[in-house]
Amino acid sequence: KQEVTQIPAALSVPEGENLVLNCSFTDSAIYNLQWFRQDPGKGLTSLLLIQSSQREQTSGRLNASLDKSSGRSTLYIAASQPGDSATYLCAPLIQGAQKLVFGQGTRLTINP
Amino acid sequence: KAGVTQTPRYLIKTRGQQVTLSCSPISGHRSVSWYQQTPGQGLQFLFEYFSETQRNKGNFPGRFSGRQFSNSRSEMNVSTLELGDSALYLCASSLWWDQPQHFGDGTRLSIL
Repeated sequence: KQEVTQIPAALSVPEGENLVLNCSFTDSAIYNLQWFRQDPGKGLTSLLLIQSSQREQTSGRLNASLDKSSGRSTLYIAASQPGDSATYLCAPLIQGAQKLVFGQGTRLTINP
Repeated sequence: KAGVTQTPRYLIKTRGQQVTLSCSPISGHRSVSWYQQTPGQGLQFLFEYFSETQRNKGNFPGRFSGRQFSNSRSEMNVSTLELGDSALYLCASSLWWDQPQHFGDGTRLSIL
């Protein structure tokens, strides 16, 4: 059974800092891994998707890496802004099941 | 391009009633998935449909059911509602099984 862990559970930093969010998963049989953000009372917004054959994916100030063999992914946010405050979720897509398995998320607060 | 649309946004029901939630995927997307989000359990997979066929089902009782229509719109139904069914129900669509999943803003269901 796939289990996903995100560390830290919460993070509060001043504006402008670079930061790293961590995600680990127990089963390497995945098609891809997707990172999302969720604002309070809202649905999930897709940030990045990394295919299992890729190592990195970049979008603007965001960079995600994937090491499938060790079951780890990181999301790097450069030059953080107050608008980045949200809960960040990682979710691998499980082979043979066509479903995302989610971690509990990292609640990020960027202080002006 | 319109995103994933879920209706209604909010629902209040009482124990024992049944409810139907609706999801309209992004135009051209054929895969639709449903997830339940609660503070205690986080995001959990309910089921996934592709071309009107349910391909996978999560570990939920038979009171939870769904279907997909020929235009890819999907509905989920919960019968004999229980207090524990109170949650945010999220629908996601994707173009193909290994493509990014895009979520709607969800239906918040409250059981009294």
